[in-house]
Amino acid sequence: AQSVAQPEDQVNVAEGNPLTVKCTYSVSGNPYLFWYVQYPNRGLQFLLKYITGDNLVKGSYGFEAEFNKSQTSFHLKKPSALVSDSAVLYFCAVGAGKSTFGDGTTLTVKP
Amino acid sequence: NAGVTQTPKFQVLKTGQSMTLQCAQDMNHEYMSWYRQDPGMGLRLIHYSVGAGITDQGEVPNGYNVSRSTTEDFPLRLLSAAPSQTSVYFCASNGLAGADEQFFGPGTRLTVL
Repeated sequence: AQSVAQPEDQVNVAEGNPLTVKCTYSVSGNPYLFWYVQYPNRGLQFLLKYITGDNLVKGSYGFEAEFNKSQTSFHLKKPSALVSDSAVLYFCAVGAGKSTFGDGTTLTVKP
Repeated sequence: NAGVTQTPKFQVLKTGQSMTLQCAQDMNHEYMSWYRQDPGMGLRLIHYSVGAGITDQGEVPNGYNVSRSTTEDFPLRLLSAAPSQTSVYFCASNGLAGADEQFFGPGTRLTVL
């Protein structure tokens, strides 16, 4: 069985500072890992994915994620946070079609 | 392309009533999935389909039925609604299994009284 953990319900960061939203996973075989963002009263939108290749993947809105096989982690990062990045839920997921999602992390960026 | 569409957007049912949540996609995706989202619990997979005529159960299938007669449509049926089924329901689709990202519909907010 596959599983995903997002250990932080909420992440707070000041505007302009780097942000990290943590995700760890458990899956047999090669992982297909995804990050999605959900705005209030909306469906999820795709940010980025890791399938194979470079451990650092870049996605939409300046976000990137680092895949670490030894630590089974796939943390979402952004070098400089914007206020507009906040007030949403960020979800980490493993697999597609039969995906397992983390419980989500709310990001708050303070001006 | 309209992407993934869901109807209705909101629905209130009484306990014991049945209804069908509609989902359609126009991207010719093989995979379609239904999730429910409850506060603090992320998304949980109800049923999924790998193509027309093929469906399978996810993590929380009890109380729900699905069918996939066409590539485009994947309706979710609540057989006898219960208050525990109050949730937000999302339909999603994607291409090749395991590699493609999912496209999500806007969701249906269901309340069962």
